[in-house]
Amino acid sequence: DAGVIQSPRHEVTEMGQEVTLRCKPISGHNSLFWYRQTMMRGLELLIYFNNNVPIDDSGMPEDRFSAKMPNASFSTLKIQPSEPRDSAVYFCASSLKQGADGGTEAFFGQGTRLTVV
Amino acid sequence: LAKTTQPISMDSYEGQEVNITCSHNNIATNDYITWYQQFPSQGPRFIIQGYKTKVTNEVASLFIPADRKSSTLSLPRVSLSDTAVYYCLVGFYNQGGKLIFGQGTELSVKP
Repeated sequence: DAGVIQSPRHEVTEMGQEVTLRCKPISGHNSLFWYRQTMMRGLELLIYFNNNVPIDDSGMPEDRFSAKMPNASFSTLKIQPSEPRDSAVYFCASSLKQGADGGTEAFFGQGTRLTVV
Repeated sequence: LAKTTQPISMDSYEGQEVNITCSHNNIATNDYITWYQQFPSQGPRFIIQGYKTKVTNEVASLFIPADRKSSTLSLPRVSLSDTAVYYCLVGFYNQGGKLIFGQGTELSVKP
C-alpha cells in the first residue's frame, strides 16, 4: 500500500478563497483523522471519522471549516473563506480500529502545507 | 483522555542511550501508552505502544512501572538521524480512536 495520500502537498491561496484538502486513507482502515500543525499550537486534532461517520468535530476551529468522508477511500477538509491565520500544515491519518483491543497505530500522510496570503 | 507531561527538549550525543520520560498521572484503567516520532516536514510515525511492564521492538523499548503513572521511551545508541520530536500519547483508542498529541520532546543528537 502507498500509505496515506494527501493532495496537494503545497497550497498558496489568497484570503477569502475556498481551499479544499484531500486525503486517501490506507485501504481497509476504518478511522480517519485530520490534524493541523503550527509552531504556536503544535498538533491539533480537528476531526475524526470512524466508518465514514464523523465522531468528534470539537477541534474544528469555526464554521469556516468543514470535513466530509463520502466513502471509505476519500475525505476532504474545506476552508471557506480562508484567512491568513489558517496557514499551517494539515495532516491526514488513518488507522484500523480492531475489536476490543485498546491499542491502535495511526499512519500519517505527508501533509499539505497551506499558506493564505 | 489522560493529560501527558514530557520534557520540552533533550540533547544527546551519537552512540548514547536516550531515555524520555512521560508523566500521565490520571491514566485510566483501559488506557494504552503510545509514542510517535516526527521528523521536520513529515507526519508523525508510530514507534511503540504498551499497556504495562516492558515492550521492546526493533526501534525502541518502552518501560511502564506498575502504577502506570509514567512511562519511559528508551532509544538505544542514538544516531544523528534520531533527531526528531517524540510524542507520548495516552488513551483507550478503541473508544472512538481519539489521538491527542501533547507538546512533545524535541531530541537533538549531536556528533
